[in-house]
Amino acid sequence: DGGITQSPKYLFRKEGQNVTLSCEQNLNHDAMYWYRQDPGQGLRLIYYSQIVNDFQKGDIAEGYSVSREKKESFPLTVTSAQKNPTAFYLCASRGPSNYGYTFGSGTRLTVV
Amino acid sequence: DQQVKQNSPSLSVQEGRISILNCDYTNSMFDYFLWYKKYPAEGPTFLISISSIKDKNEDGRFTVFLNKSAKHLSLHIVPSQPGDSAVYFCAASGLGGYQKVTFGTGTKLQVIP
Repeated sequence: DGGITQSPKYLFRKEGQNVTLSCEQNLNHDAMYWYRQDPGQGLRLIYYSQIVNDFQKGDIAEGYSVSREKKESFPLTVTSAQKNPTAFYLCASRGPSNYGYTFGSGTRLTVV
Repeated sequence: DQQVKQNSPSLSVQEGRISILNCDYTNSMFDYFLWYKKYPAEGPTFLISISSIKDKNEDGRFTVFLNKSAKHLSLHIVPSQPGDSAVYFCAASGLGGYQKVTFGTGTKLQVIP
């Protein structure tokens, strides 16, 4: 079955630590995206990548970093510079003939 | 600047009645509109879409209406079922390529048995 896998489902981070959220897809989609969901704010775009070895900042990229070394993988690092990292993080991918996204099941990050 | 707006954060409807979720957008470059359904602690799932060349698209109990002149779209669910209780996101995109999708803030629908 094709899909997007995000791991872990729950992640706890101490203040000052960097953490990396995993996103893997086997849909052969070129484009991948990271969104953050906060209560009352919908989904906000952090970073996106339309092709391997290339990515662009979204609307709220500060304090985050990404890499796209393989088509299947688009990991997101939440750095210590992110002031309010507690949120629900969603990864998505998109193919050329599909105008919509396929989403993963999300990672809930909590700073303790 | 919120380009896609869902002004009703929540909506309660009796089972069997119609649910109407509304969405407004400001960017006239948007050509493709989508609705996603999201349960807690899960990723959103695609529900229905409409392109700007149409004013209506229907899929079973779900119908999306688009009024381009008013920059307004709505999702109708008839009849509403308890399993429809979820957060619904309106989203918009340009056509072609891998253009990013802009999401609204969501409307939480509760269908009361």
